[in-house]
Amino acid sequence: GAGVSQSPSNKVTEKGKDVELRCDPISGHTALYWYRQSLGQGLEFLIYFQGNSAPDKSGLPSDRFSAERTGGSVSTLTIQRTQQEDSAVYLCASSLPPSGQRGRETQYFGPGTRLLVL
Amino acid sequence: AQKVTQAQTEISVVEKEDVTLDCVYETRDTTYYLFWYKQPPSGELVFLIRRNSFDEQNEISGRYSWNFQKSTSSFNFTITASQVVDSAVYFCALSEATGANSKLTFGKGITLSVRP
Repeated sequence: GAGVSQSPSNKVTEKGKDVELRCDPISGHTALYWYRQSLGQGLEFLIYFQGNSAPDKSGLPSDRFSAERTGGSVSTLTIQRTQQEDSAVYLCASSLPPSGQRGRETQYFGPGTRLLVL
Repeated sequence: AQKVTQAQTEISVVEKEDVTLDCVYETRDTTYYLFWYKQPPSGELVFLIRRNSFDEQNEISGRYSWNFQKSTSSFNFTITASQVVDSAVYFCALSEATGANSKLTFGKGITLSVRP
């Protein structure tokens, strides 16, 4: 079946502009995660959505970052007033609903969006 | 707080050599899950294995094997008879069963280069 898809695959923007990154999870996966991969920081968790529950935004680095998930499926990560330090690969992952014990679901990743802020 | 350490940053081997990638983790939870992912040059993270904290049985899948030892908080990954296609960055990750979500905490990754 289809995996996680992300768009665009690459994005170049100027400092101060807003960008939107899109993630389409695997069908039937109610959990969705955003991560950021940068040279200096490695892979970092940003935000987590599960069904209709309030998202866990504990990993967002600043209030310039926000995300939403419409209809429990597609998610959009928005970065406002981009800065050069926002340059990174933004990865989306999805997983099946939590089972009896959290943490057992395998997360499947999309190809990522490579963001370059000039 | 949970932490994953991959002390090796880069490993270079010649094809057909065996190679072991080390992973050490820290967690206060008694229930947790460990993962290995492969990131080839194309960039997509590919799931390799998941292991829960209750199961210390080692696992073998073809040329891949994993050694989980709770006593040393390690979850090492061995590739037997390495091939050029194994060249990639390999990440070890941890997910705790408690907490707000099942987020993954990743190590810094190990870049494996397999030379023909």
